[in-house]
Amino acid sequence: GQNIDQPTEMTATEGAIVQINCTYQTSGFNGLFWYQQHAGEAPTFLSYNVLDGLEEKGRFSSFLSRSKGYSYLLLKELQMKDSASYLCAVRDLSSGTYKYIFGTGTRLKVLA
Amino acid sequence: EAQVTQNPRYLITVTGKKLTVTCSQNMNHEYMSWYRQDPGLGLRQIYYSMNVEVTDKGDVPEGYKVSRKEKRNFPLILESPSPNQTSLYFCASSGTGSSYNSPLHFGNGTRLTVT
Repeated sequence: GQNIDQPTEMTATEGAIVQINCTYQTSGFNGLFWYQQHAGEAPTFLSYNVLDGLEEKGRFSSFLSRSKGYSYLLLKELQMKDSASYLCAVRDLSSGTYKYIFGTGTRLKVLA
Repeated sequence: EAQVTQNPRYLITVTGKKLTVTCSQNMNHEYMSWYRQDPGLGLRQIYYSMNVEVTDKGDVPEGYKVSRKEKRNFPLILESPSPNQTSLYFCASSGTGSSYNSPLHFGNGTRLTVT
């Protein structure tokens, strides 16, 4: 079947580095996305991986290993405004059409 | 500005009173989708559309209808709302094909309460 797992909650300190892991199972993998979502707001796109390796975008980096069904989002130099939920999503093409499968999200609290 | 616009932002209604949540995108995206988000359950797909006049059920389609008569619009219809449809709803769109790395763009959400 299709499944995405990520930790429910994480806590880190301002200025630190945090890694949020995501594991997935899908038969028609076609890309992995990370989104940030503040409470009550829309998810906003952070990063995209379709090939193995690391993608870096400023303070945010995302890594993918397709053979392991594993990704992580790395946030550096944490700021208070980074307190939010982080959603891992996989795009699946096994049905012949685009299907986006979301994890339940990791709520990150950044402490002063 | 490229965006997905959904209305209304907040809606309180009573059981059984038909309602429509509108969704429009100005990015010429082929793919559009509706999600509901509930605490502890994450984003669950209700319906999606790969193009005009092509719609398909997602994971939780019961109690909902959609239509895709034009590329830019994808309204969500609740013919007879029930309290278990109280939720936060998001419309989203993305490119397809050559836009393979196009992420989903989300609207601002509609918080629906059915009493």
